[in-house]
Amino acid sequence: AQSVSQHNHHVILSEAASLELGCNYSYGGTVNLFWYVQYPGQHLQLLLKYFSGDPLVKGIKGFEAEFIKSKFSFNLRKPSVQWSDTAEYFCAVNADSGAGSYQLTFGKGTKLSVIP
Amino acid sequence: EPEVTQTPSHQVTQMGQEVILRCVPISNHLYFYWYRQILGQKVEFLVSFYNNEISEKSEIFDDQFSVERPDGSNFTLKIRSTKLEDSAMYFCASGDGPTNTGELFFGEGSRLTVL
Repeated sequence: AQSVSQHNHHVILSEAASLELGCNYSYGGTVNLFWYVQYPGQHLQLLLKYFSGDPLVKGIKGFEAEFIKSKFSFNLRKPSVQWSDTAEYFCAVNADSGAGSYQLTFGKGTKLSVIP
Repeated sequence: EPEVTQTPSHQVTQMGQEVILRCVPISNHLYFYWYRQILGQKVEFLVSFYNNEISEKSEIFDDQFSVERPDGSNFTLKIRSTKLEDSAMYFCASGDGPTNTGELFFGEGSRLTVL
């Protein structure tokens, strides 16, 4: 079974600071990787995803993530955060469990607070 | 843009009562899921549903839980006899499955409070 670790529970940054949120997964086979964001009081929204190809993936709102297969990592980055980026960020792994349902396994989430 | 809708947004119930949470998945999706998030904890998989049957379930999804797609559009989660520890945000999701490499689209969640 796959598992996902997110290293930071809560990150506090000032506006314009650079962001990097760590994510490591464990799974021996081919995986699809996702970052979801949950703004306060809202549902989970997809930020970006990696299926194959270029390991540097660009998502919405200026976010990007790099898949490093040798490190089993998929860290999320943004060069300059804004107050509106305040949210909780979830890394997730999706692999065919054999039942064809492709369930997502989430990390515990990292809460990002951006101070104006 | 198509979206997953869930009702109710918030339900308060007494311990031991039955609760039904409703979801309308995106219309052309074939795979349906329920996840839950206990306050302060991670999002946890409960169950997946395909072709009118459960395809996979977690150890959380015990005999108190059931899912149903009663009319081809709704996808429901029933908790027969709620416990205090069932208090959580319940998210419905739908996806194309392997044809779309497993991306899931989530509803806004139903917050369940068990007193």
